[in-house]
Amino acid sequence: EAGVTQFPSHSVIEKGQTVTLRCDPISGHDNLYWYRRVMGKEIKFLLHFVKESKQDESGMPNNRFLAERTGGTYSTLKVQPAELEDSGVYFCASSQLPSSSSGETQYFGPGTRLLVL
Amino acid sequence: AQTVTQSQPEMSVQEAETVTLSCTYDTSENNYYLFWYKQPPSRQMILVIRQEAYKQQNATENRFSVNFQKAAKSFSLKISDSQLGDTAMYFCAFMNSGNTPLVFGKGTRLSVIA
Repeated sequence: EAGVTQFPSHSVIEKGQTVTLRCDPISGHDNLYWYRRVMGKEIKFLLHFVKESKQDESGMPNNRFLAERTGGTYSTLKVQPAELEDSGVYFCASSQLPSSSSGETQYFGPGTRLLVL
Repeated sequence: AQTVTQSQPEMSVQEAETVTLSCTYDTSENNYYLFWYKQPPSRQMILVIRQEAYKQQNATENRFSVNFQKAAKSFSLKISDSQLGDTAMYFCAFMNSGNTPLVFGKGTRLSVIA
């Protein structure tokens, strides 16, 4: 079974440009999360999809970030326009949607390393 | 809000020795889940071990075990018989019951020395 995949693995852009990150979750996983780790800091939550719906987007830094998950499969995270402080590693994770309120393990992708110059 | 603290930014251990990574957390919840993830250099983050707060027995996965002290809100990871492949960044994480986001500590960089 394929794990969570992310594309691209690295991206270097200039301030003011647009970048789109993609995440393909494990097949059958309805939960999809985006996280970000800025250099030297904790991994921070950005947002959570359940199927195609945004369940929680409380971690999104500002309106320059737009996430979508059309059809409830893969997700994209677009940063427009990018700023220097957006540099970091963007992780995607997915988990199953259980029938109870049990805490399902989240499986992570390899991350996209974004550098804004 | 929940917080997770890993007080050891870096640690090292000799191959075949035992090392313990510390993690404390703060929450007012009674039901929750705790995780240790590892991220080897330039590789994917993977789950090492998980613990349900309602279980008194400490979780164990081969050479990895935890010391879960619910009253003290402590969740340390013990790695026995350390191997070179254990070199990685280790993250402690907390999750409320239900499918909610993970709250991470800053991580501990572990180096296993031959």
